[in-house]
Amino acid sequence: KNEVEQSPQNLTAQEGEFITINCSYSVGISALHWLQQHPGGGIVSLFMLSSGKKKHGRLIATINIQEKHSSLHITASHPRDSAVYICAVTMDSNYQLIWGAGTKLIIKP
Amino acid sequence: KAGVTQTPRYLIKTRGQQVTLSCSPISGHRSVSWYQQTPGQGLQFLFEYFSETQRNKGNFPGRFSGRQFSNSRSEMNVSTLELGDSALYLCASSLALPPQETQYFGPGTRLLVL
Repeated sequence: KNEVEQSPQNLTAQEGEFITINCSYSVGISALHWLQQHPGGGIVSLFMLSSGKKKHGRLIATINIQEKHSSLHITASHPRDSAVYICAVTMDSNYQLIWGAGTKLIIKP
Repeated sequence: KAGVTQTPRYLIKTRGQQVTLSCSPISGHRSVSWYQQTPGQGLQFLFEYFSETQRNKGNFPGRFSGRQFSNSRSEMNVSTLELGDSALYLCASSLALPPQETQYFGPGTRLLVL
């Protein structure tokens, strides 16, 4: 079993829909990261969370430490949101980053 | 401020050769991490440097090595290249050691081993 699991693996939605991507982890962490990777390889760090909730524009990230679960939400989705969204956690034992497999999101106009 | 830069952006090598990739972090950043991304394995952690010292190493063979210079620039070397080394190699920098600091990623070096 992977230490970081993301769901769904693939997601296709219509423009304007509310999007939720989930991340569950099984190790002790000191932080959780959400990253976005567009075709071509560029990776952008969206959020770094250790508790609670963060909001940036149409993006919202939440984390529940007790349940070892985080969600990334996109409101009013747009085709330019199409990308791979990656969840990664920093282990509190050795500070190594463990990556989820990513969620490929396609938003259709 | 300029972002993280990686050179070269694209590279084609043959099996058995060696390759050196370079990463220049954002000015002032002292931590550099390297990752390998392949379609089958996703993102895999290679190593992490801070102030010229390797602080963490992933589960890769000894053919993969790296170093960091006093100006925080980092190089990664892969010797005796194998076909399976074909991947996107990403470098990320942060002010101090993660996780306290957000990492900023470079555009990557795409390596193709023939």
